[in-house]
Amino acid sequence: GQNIDQPTEMTATEGAIVQINCTYQTSGFNGLFWYQQHAGEAPTFLSYNVLDGLEEKGRFSSFLSRSKGYSYLLLKELQMKDSASYLCAVRTTSGNTPLVFGKGTRLSVIA
Amino acid sequence: EPEVTQTPSHQVTQMGQEVILRCVPISNHLYFYWYRQILGQKVEFLVSFYNNEISEKSEIFDDQFSVERPDGSNFTLKIRSTKLEDSAMYFCASRTDGKNQPQHFGDGTRLSIL
Repeated sequence: GQNIDQPTEMTATEGAIVQINCTYQTSGFNGLFWYQQHAGEAPTFLSYNVLDGLEEKGRFSSFLSRSKGYSYLLLKELQMKDSASYLCAVRTTSGNTPLVFGKGTRLSVIA
Repeated sequence: EPEVTQTPSHQVTQMGQEVILRCVPISNHLYFYWYRQILGQKVEFLVSFYNNEISEKSEIFDDQFSVERPDGSNFTLKIRSTKLEDSAMYFCASRTDGKNQPQHFGDGTRLSIL
C-alpha cells in the first residue's frame, strides 16, 4: 500500500521559519513533490526532489532522505499569504504515473 | 504563464444525471490527469491519459467514469450516472515530457450532487 504522513495542522508567526515534515512508505519511489493549496483553489507546484539533499528556491527549500523515507519543506520569512495547505506527493514509478498525495498540512501564519 | 483551464467552476446536478467536466490542458503538454478531492480530504488520483488512451486508472474510476480527448485541446471527464458520493472538487492536471516535470493543476470544478 501507499502511505504518506504529514502533520494535520501547524501554526507559525509572521517572519519566522517553519518546517513541515513528510514521511512516506510507498511501493516505489521516483520523486517527491511539494504543492501549496489555498482553500478552494488548485494545488500549485512548489518543489521537487528525487535525489537526497536540499533544493532551495527563494524562501522555500525542500529536503529528501530516500533511505529514511523522509522529506521536509522549509519556509523562511513567513508571510500571511503563506497560510495554506501544503501537500506532499510521491511519484511511485517512472513514466506516466500519478501522484500519491498526503492529506496535507494546514499552516496558519499569525501576526 | 500558460494555465490549465477547467469549466464549469461549479456544477450542481441531480443524482442519476450525467455530467461532463471539461479541461483545456497547457498546449504543449502530453500527459493528462484527473484527480478529485472530497471536502476536507486528500487529493485522490482518478485516471491518467497519454497518446489518446488511458495509461492508468484507480479503483475509484469505475464503469461510471470515462475520459475523452475529442479534439487537440479539450480533455473531458464524464460521469454517467452521478451518486451523492461523487460530490467533490475535480482537478485536471497536465505535464510536459520529462520525468522531472511537475503536474500543473487547473482551478477545479466543484461538483455538487443533490
